[in-house]
Amino acid sequence: AQSVTQPDIHITVSEGASLELRCNYSYGATPYLFWYVQSPGQGLQLLLKYFSGDTLVQGIKGFEAEFKRSQSSFNLRKPSVHWSDAAEYFCAVGPVSQFYFGTGTSLTVIP
Amino acid sequence: NAGVTQTPKFRVLKTGQSMTLLCAQDMNHEYMYWYRQDPGMGLRLIHYSVGEGTTAKGEVPDGYNVSRLKKQNFLLGLESAAPSQTSVYFCASWGTSSNEQFFGPGTRLTVL
Repeated sequence: AQSVTQPDIHITVSEGASLELRCNYSYGATPYLFWYVQSPGQGLQLLLKYFSGDTLVQGIKGFEAEFKRSQSSFNLRKPSVHWSDAAEYFCAVGPVSQFYFGTGTSLTVIP
Repeated sequence: NAGVTQTPKFRVLKTGQSMTLLCAQDMNHEYMYWYRQDPGMGLRLIHYSVGEGTTAKGEVPDGYNVSRLKKQNFLLGLESAAPSQTSVYFCASWGTSSNEQFFGPGTRLTVL
């Protein structure tokens, strides 16, 4: 069965510090992989996606993620966090017919 | 090009009432999905459709029914609403050319 784990429920970082959000998945083959961001009361915005090719993918807002097949991970990174990055982040995996989302990581940015 | 739209945006029901949520997309997408989002739970797939006239169960289908009579529309029905169905509901469609899901703005449903 497919599953997605985001081990960190909540992360606090200082503005300007680096960020890494973890995502581990369980799936029989290489799935489609996504990271989304959601601000309070808003919908989901796609940050980046991976389905084949280069395992380091670049997304919007300066985010990147690396697919590591051996670790079944797709961690999201940003070298320097901005106060506007405070939000909820969701990892999602799956085939096209049935995507699974992680429970999310809430990011707080302190000045 | 409106993308994915959802109707209504907000709704309050009493236990036992029924209602239908409408999702519409104008991108000619084959795949469409209904999710619910609850605090601390992320998004969970309720039902999905791989094309007009076809539907399938997702992770949490109990208490919901769906229909896809037209390619552009995907309806989610609650026959007898329960407080446990209080949630935010998101519809999405899959773009084959872009390899990404396009989400609607969400419907906030409260069942009293």
